[in-house]
Amino acid sequence: NAGVTQTPKFRVLKTGQSMTLLCAQDMNHEYMYWYRQDPGMGLRLIHYSVGEGTTAKGEVPDGYNVSRLKKQNFLLGLESAAPSQTSVYFCASSPRDSRWNTQYFGPGTRLTVL
Amino acid sequence: DQQVKQNSPSLSVQEGRISILNCDYTNSMFDYFLWYKKYPAEGPTFLISISSIKDKNEDGRFTVFLNKSAKHLSLHIVPSQPGDSAVYFCAASIAGTYKYIFGTGTRLKVLA
Repeated sequence: NAGVTQTPKFRVLKTGQSMTLLCAQDMNHEYMYWYRQDPGMGLRLIHYSVGEGTTAKGEVPDGYNVSRLKKQNFLLGLESAAPSQTSVYFCASSPRDSRWNTQYFGPGTRLTVL
Repeated sequence: DQQVKQNSPSLSVQEGRISILNCDYTNSMFDYFLWYKKYPAEGPTFLISISSIKDKNEDGRFTVFLNKSAKHLSLHIVPSQPGDSAVYFCAASIAGTYKYIFGTGTRLKVLA
């Protein structure tokens, strides 16, 4: 049982390049989330999904797109990377079995945009 | 506007003593609160939670207290151990919204 995994762990991009971050979970969770963590800012929600085929915007969605074609996967895309997107990105998932759900986080992807 | 605030960026405590981490929130609609612990180069891991129908929840060395009138929660760790050294995030949610708002984190250092 791997939990939540993220690919890649590290990446360096040049301004204007594109990339996709992959999140996978094997816990059959309904909800999945993408956060970014910046110094002094805590964790900020980029996009989230409440089920396969559905996505919604979080606090800081600009410059990112997401897709949830399969229940176990949640992809985060950067179409044209900017230095302001240098951050650590965390994916999380949670079950839909109560009013209040605990999130389980992946290990993170450290992205640098030059 | 920061809805969940952790005003102490860092805290140092001697091993065996109590660690108290604080968190304030502004949105009175929040009804579920969580604490996460994060080690360097790892993702946050869930520590303890409390719903707004309670004012205290205990799990081993960890206790979370909620003061709804003050919009304040705190995490007590007794006794503190060196392995507790990490960054602690509080988070808040409104039931049914599926979203969590995180504080900026407090770095706890437990000195041996």
